[in-house]
Amino acid sequence: AQSVTQPDIHITVSEGASLELRCNYSYGATPYLFWYVQSPGQGLQLLLKYFSGDTLVQGIKGFEAEFKRSQSSFNLRKPSVHWSDAAEYFCAVGIYDKVIFGPGTSLSVIP
Amino acid sequence: EPEVTQTPSHQVTQMGQEVILRCVPISNHLYFYWYRQILGQKVEFLVSFYNNEISEKSEIFDDQFSVERPDGSNFTLKIRSTKLEDSAMYFCASSALASAGELFFGEGSRLTVL
Repeated sequence: AQSVTQPDIHITVSEGASLELRCNYSYGATPYLFWYVQSPGQGLQLLLKYFSGDTLVQGIKGFEAEFKRSQSSFNLRKPSVHWSDAAEYFCAVGIYDKVIFGPGTSLSVIP
Repeated sequence: EPEVTQTPSHQVTQMGQEVILRCVPISNHLYFYWYRQILGQKVEFLVSFYNNEISEKSEIFDDQFSVERPDGSNFTLKIRSTKLEDSAMYFCASSALASAGELFFGEGSRLTVL
């Protein structure tokens, strides 16, 4: 069955430090891949997406993600975290007529 | 900037009552979705809707749930007889394309079943 895993439930980083959030998927083919962010009490906002082509994709707010087919991974990175990046981050895969979300990683930022 | 709007933002209901959650998708989008997020848990797919019919649904979307697009602009989720475990945030989303497209989410409707 298709699945999305995010191994880290909660991550804490210092402001200005680099960040990497992990995502792995299980699917027979290469799905469409997304990262969404959810601030407390808010809806979900798309950070970036991968459909095909260059495996390193750039998104909004300084985020990037790299698709690695051999590892079935789509990890999210940011070189320097800001306090406003504290939120819940969801990796997602698009398969046929639906998008499936991972369990999410909660990011805390220490000033 | 076009956006997905949802009403009500919060609804409190008694167990066994019917609830209708409303969504106005982005006007030129063709694919519509409902997702559910129980407090502190993952975002779960409920149903996708295209061309006036359900294109896919999850095991959560049982006979208590229904969707319709009654007037070409609204997209509604009806829960026929609410249960305590239906308490959650319900998100509507729309997309110009199917799974290849970006989902645009509304702010959500919080349902509390007492």
